[in-house]
Amino acid sequence: SAVISQKPSRDICQRGTSLTIQCQVDSQVTMMFWYRQQPGQSLTLIATANQGSEATYESGFVIDKFPISRPNLTFSTLTVSNMSPEDSSIYLCSVEGFTSNEQFFGPGTRLTVL
Amino acid sequence: RKEVEQDPGPFNVPEGATVTFNCTYSNSASQSFFWYRQDCRKEPKLLMSVYSSGNEDGRFTAQLNRASQYISLLIRDSKLSDSATYLCVVNPPGSGGYNKLIFGAGTRLAVHP
Repeated sequence: SAVISQKPSRDICQRGTSLTIQCQVDSQVTMMFWYRQQPGQSLTLIATANQGSEATYESGFVIDKFPISRPNLTFSTLTVSNMSPEDSSIYLCSVEGFTSNEQFFGPGTRLTVL
Repeated sequence: RKEVEQDPGPFNVPEGATVTFNCTYSNSASQSFFWYRQDCRKEPKLLMSVYSSGNEDGRFTAQLNRASQYISLLIRDSKLSDSATYLCVVNPPGSGGYNKLIFGAGTRLAVHP
C-alpha cells in the first residue's frame, strides 16, 4: 500500500480562521479522498479530488467551506475555512488500493477550534 | 435507515473468547465490502475484504450474505491486541466512477485478561 503523510498532525485554531491540511503520497494516484471524523463518530466523505479537475463534493459539503487543491498526482490540500467549534474533527485523506476498491488512509489531522 | 448499520457495542470479552460482529447495508446493489480496524486516535486500517464465498485470515473470518444484505466478522481466540473499533465498510453503486466508501459507526471491542 502507499505511504501517506499529513501535515499538520494536529492544530488548535481560533474561530473565524482557516487551516490548510496537506496530504502527500509516495506514489502517483489518480483519486484522493478527504474524510471527516467528528468526535465519537465514524468517517464521512467530504470530497473526492482528481488531479486536473474540480473536486467532487458530497451532500452537505461545499467548496467555499472546504476548498481542495490537487496540483499533481502525489499531493492534495484541504482547507477548512472560517472555522467554528463544530469543525473540530479529525480530517483524513485516503487513496485507493492498486488492485481493488479498498482505500488506505493517512494518519489524520486532529483539529480543535476554540 | 442508515446505509450501513452495525452492532452498537461495546463488546467486552476475555482473552481467548470468540466474538462476532454483525453489519447490514441498505443498498442491495453494493459492490464491495470491507472490515477496517481503528485503534484509538489512529487512522482506520484495512483488516480484510469480504468476498461472497466468505474468507478467512488467521483468526479472522468474514462472511457476506447478499440476499440478507448482511456482513459479519468473527474473531477467534481473542487477544488483548484485538481491542479496537471495527468498522464495516461498503462500496455502493452509482459512485460516479470512483470508489466511494460508506462507513458504519463502528463496534468497539475490549478484550480483557
